[in-house]
Amino acid sequence: QQQVKQSPQSLIVQKGGISIINCAYENTAFDYFPWYQQFPGKGPALLIAIRPDVSEKKEGRFTISFNKSAKQFSLHIMDSQPGDSATYFCAAFITYGQNFVFGPGTRLSVLP
Amino acid sequence: NAGVMQNPRHLVRRRGQEARLRCSPMKGHSHVYWYRQLPEEGLKFMVYLQKENIIDESGMPKERFSAEFPKEGPSILRIQQVVRGDSAAYFCASSSVVPQETQYFGPGTRLLVL
Repeated sequence: QQQVKQSPQSLIVQKGGISIINCAYENTAFDYFPWYQQFPGKGPALLIAIRPDVSEKKEGRFTISFNKSAKQFSLHIMDSQPGDSATYFCAAFITYGQNFVFGPGTRLSVLP
Repeated sequence: NAGVMQNPRHLVRRRGQEARLRCSPMKGHSHVYWYRQLPEEGLKFMVYLQKENIIDESGMPKERFSAEFPKEGPSILRIQQVVRGDSAAYFCASSSVVPQETQYFGPGTRLLVL
């Protein structure tokens, strides 16, 4: 119940394409869903986050889609750029709680 | 306006030695979280601390690992009698009181056990 499943494990996209990463969870107590971006040798950096009371959140080229009934959420990267090449982690938190669960990560490569 | 700081960035230890990893949270943050990342794997939660208190250590191995966040100074993750399987990147994150879920990560300490 504490797991967050993430797919695909790796993703190759052409420059200008759309990158889509999917995550699923079981614990309905999770109420905050952030996405982190990590470059090699660096710490993860918060990219965008959503709460389950909205179905979509957009920040620039990055969009989170959230399906509460299916317990799934996804990250869409529009107009993908080589600089987006990194590992992306979805996560699920319980606000003010003590549960912080990360997905296993998706390694994105954007080809020039 | 420094972010989360961790030191050392790289640490090499021989089996049986002790490793001490330090984390200074962002200014104004009183919540610290430690995570471990094995090569090609995701982040695994280890421990959550507030000043002088361990809130949740459910992800910490029962033996050899300990963590503290004293009233003054950085948070310390201590690994006694290290083994090769402890080789990993250890990340610290911090958050302010509200909202707790917005965690900001440090650059990590890469521990190599020979």
